[in-house]
Amino acid sequence: DTEVTQTPKHLVMGMTNKKSLKCEQHMGHRAMYWYKQKAKKPPELMFVYSYEKLSINESVPSRFSPECPNSSLLNLHLHALQPEDSALYLCASSPLAGGLGVADTQYFGPGTRLTVL
Amino acid sequence: EDKVVQSPLSLVVHEGDTVTLNCSYEVTNFRSLLWYKQEKKAPTFLFMLTSSGIEKKSGRLSSILDKKELFSILNITATQTGDSAIYLCAVVYNFNKFYFGSGTKLNVKP
Repeated sequence: DTEVTQTPKHLVMGMTNKKSLKCEQHMGHRAMYWYKQKAKKPPELMFVYSYEKLSINESVPSRFSPECPNSSLLNLHLHALQPEDSALYLCASSPLAGGLGVADTQYFGPGTRLTVL
Repeated sequence: EDKVVQSPLSLVVHEGDTVTLNCSYEVTNFRSLLWYKQEKKAPTFLFMLTSSGIEKKSGRLSSILDKKELFSILNITATQTGDSAIYLCAVVYNFNKFYFGSGTKLNVKP
């Protein structure tokens, strides 16, 4: 199983709503990522979890709250979003072999297309 | 400031042509460089490069890394319309950070 799954595929929410995006992988990967991708732009890194601990937060506003309940699941909780937060939200995972000089690849999920009204 | 720059930004070719896409980088603690193909959905992995001068090849696609000059190229030979996509280069650095370039949009015409 080399798949990263994301739900929902599409989400429309108002600025006062609270919603969550979910990501799951069963490849035994120990690093998981959230990216935001606007139209015609490359993915922008938001958060990185390594061994279920938040290791990188790229100065993301607090209205985005990540959570990693276990090594297979990654959530992104959304609250009081703005219309400019509308984008494709991509989850990815990588093996995280660790150690100097060891590099990982990433496997991406299909993304959640988020629209904030 | 860390950065990854891809060129050209867009490219239009005809089927059968050969194309070369470029990716240059300036990052601290470089670990590896990855190439992805993105069509309508999420990026799909093509190659991971960690060592200079060793060509990676998969069918009509090949890629090589030059760690001295800090760049990589992705070659596609005998292009087909199905190769039309955005090709993204990403650099892994500082243990586990990924930074994507802006991509090259390739359009292969019949």
